[in-house]
Amino acid sequence: KQEVTQIPAALSVPEGENLVLNCSFTDSAIYNLQWFRQDPGKGLTSLLLIQSSQREQTSGRLNASLDKSSGRSTLYIAASQPGDSATYLCAVRPRSSDYKLSFGAGTTVTVRA
Amino acid sequence: NAGVMQNPRHLVRRRGQEARLRCSPMKGHSHVYWYRQLPEEGLKFMVYLQKENIIDESGMPKERFSAEFPKEGPSILRIQQVVRGDSAAYFCASSSPGAEDYEQYFGPGTRLTVT
Repeated sequence: KQEVTQIPAALSVPEGENLVLNCSFTDSAIYNLQWFRQDPGKGLTSLLLIQSSQREQTSGRLNASLDKSSGRSTLYIAASQPGDSATYLCAVRPRSSDYKLSFGAGTTVTVRA
Repeated sequence: NAGVMQNPRHLVRRRGQEARLRCSPMKGHSHVYWYRQLPEEGLKFMVYLQKENIIDESGMPKERFSAEFPKEGPSILRIQQVVRGDSAAYFCASSSPGAEDYEQYFGPGTRLTVT
């Protein structure tokens, strides 16, 4: 059974600092991994999706890396802003034919102005 | 193109009442998934439906919970005789039948509070 862990559970940084969020998973046989953003009381917004064959994906200030063999993914957010304050979730899809996403509990980020 | 819609956004029920949560998938999507997020936990898969069919309900509690996705209208997640432990955020996602990778698009969720 796939277990997804996100550490730390919460993170507070001053504006302008780079953010590093970690996600680890127990079964390295994954199809893809996705990072989401969740704002309080809101739904999930997809940030980046990395296929198992990829090592990283970038979108603006966001960069996500994937190391399947060690069961880890890292989300980097450069030059953080107060608007980046949210909970960040990672989710793993085990196989292309498997629709059940396994989610971590998330890292809640606060960027102080 | 509207995204996945869920209503109500917030629902308060007393113990023993019924809760009905609705989900309208994105236009062109006929696959619906329900997930539950308990406080301080990640989302957990509950059920996967296609029009008029339950494909996988392995994540649904065996009692009091049911789901449907009729030919016309939204998908409904129904919780009978709610208990305090049912308090959670319930998210619906949808995907296109033509998408090989089942990429799921999430709705805003329904926050259920049982008093």
